[in-house]
Amino acid sequence: DQQVKQNSPSLSVQEGRISILNCDYTNSMFDYFLWYKKYPAEGPTFLISISSIKDKNEDGRFTVFLNKSAKHLSLHIVPSQPGDSAVYFCAASEQGGSEKLVFGKGTKLTVNP
Amino acid sequence: ETGVTQTPRHLVMGMTNKKSLKCEQHLGHNAMYWYKQSAKKPLELMFVYNFKEQTENNSVPSRFSPECPNSSHLFLHLHTLQPEDSALYLCASSQDRPGTYGYTFGSGTRLTVV
Repeated sequence: DQQVKQNSPSLSVQEGRISILNCDYTNSMFDYFLWYKKYPAEGPTFLISISSIKDKNEDGRFTVFLNKSAKHLSLHIVPSQPGDSAVYFCAASEQGGSEKLVFGKGTKLTVNP
Repeated sequence: ETGVTQTPRHLVMGMTNKKSLKCEQHLGHNAMYWYKQSAKKPLELMFVYNFKEQTENNSVPSRFSPECPNSSHLFLHLHTLQPEDSALYLCASSQDRPGTYGYTFGSGTRLTVV
């Protein structure tokens, strides 16, 4: 059973517009949520995270929103740039000392010039 | 060199071969991980090492054998693999729990089993 779900395999956005990537989770014990970005032939790179005690975290053009009651988080990229074209993974870690991150399947974002 | 380095970047091996993947981290982290990325699947955790001790084996077949001689190096020994084992194998490291900053990943080894 997948604990972290990214239901949209792909998203296409025009340059300058907002990109919204969504992620749902089922495990209420998750206490940190992270977004990773992955280019082809490279490993994923950390983008932004949010603790379960917050509902928003912002870093430049990237903002992550967390809705705990809905078990939903989203990543907003504003304005979107062609260099943002990549696969974005949502990940979560659980309370209680576990070292592992649980990942979603990823969403491929294409930003068109 | 900084970050997490994986070698080789690409590997093609026959089903009867034995090969090893290598991972090295220069970040002073205490935890290291092997993940497998197959097409259209989530990243799958294979093994976790914390201070050289294996703390998780996620029901991985015995044809994959990890080795962690110290906190900076991690190996994945491969033998008698199947074509369905072809995937991108990613190594990562972290300081304690992934928490706020998650893992630092290497660039991966693209493995093809023929």
